[in-house]
Amino acid sequence: KQEVTQIPAALSVPEGENLVLNCSFTDSAIYNLQWFRQDPGKGLTSLLLIQSSQREQTSGRLNASLDKSSGRSTLYIAASQPGDSATYLCAVIGGKLIFGQGTELSVKP
Amino acid sequence: EPEVTQTPSHQVTQMGQEVILRCVPISNHLYFYWYRQILGQKVEFLVSFYNNEISEKSEIFDDQFSVERPDGSNFTLKIRSTKLEDSAMYFCASNTGTGGRETQYFGPGTRLLVL
Repeated sequence: KQEVTQIPAALSVPEGENLVLNCSFTDSAIYNLQWFRQDPGKGLTSLLLIQSSQREQTSGRLNASLDKSSGRSTLYIAASQPGDSATYLCAVIGGKLIFGQGTELSVKP
Repeated sequence: EPEVTQTPSHQVTQMGQEVILRCVPISNHLYFYWYRQILGQKVEFLVSFYNNEISEKSEIFDDQFSVERPDGSNFTLKIRSTKLEDSAMYFCASNTGTGGRETQYFGPGTRLLVL
């Protein structure tokens, strides 16, 4: 059974810092992996989708990597801003999405 | 930009009552999903729907739940007899493409509170 884990559960950084969020999964037989952002009490905003054949995907200050063989993905956020404060979720796609529990990020001004 | 919409945004109901949560997926999408998120917990898959039938469902999706695409635009989730533990945020999602592997686009959610 696929399990998705995110580390750390919470992270607090000063504004301007670069940071890395980690996601691991137990079964490498995935189609793709998707990163989301969730603001408190709100829906899920898709940030990046990495296809299983890709190693990396970039959007603005965000860079996501995928290593299927080791069951890991990272989300790199450059030059963090207070507006980046949210919970970041990764989800592996095998038809349905299987989510991690999220990393709650707080960026202090 | 097209988006998934959900109604209502909030619903309060009494235990044992039936509720219907409504979603309008993006118009050219073929795959539809329901997920739920109990407060403080992971987002969990409930059911996927393609070509007017359920393609996959989780163990959560028991006989109390049903889904329907009553017309060309709406996608509904019905809970026949709500329980306290059904209180959660319910998200609808949709996508298109081979095997539903592409980006899933989520609606804003319906917060259901069962009293």
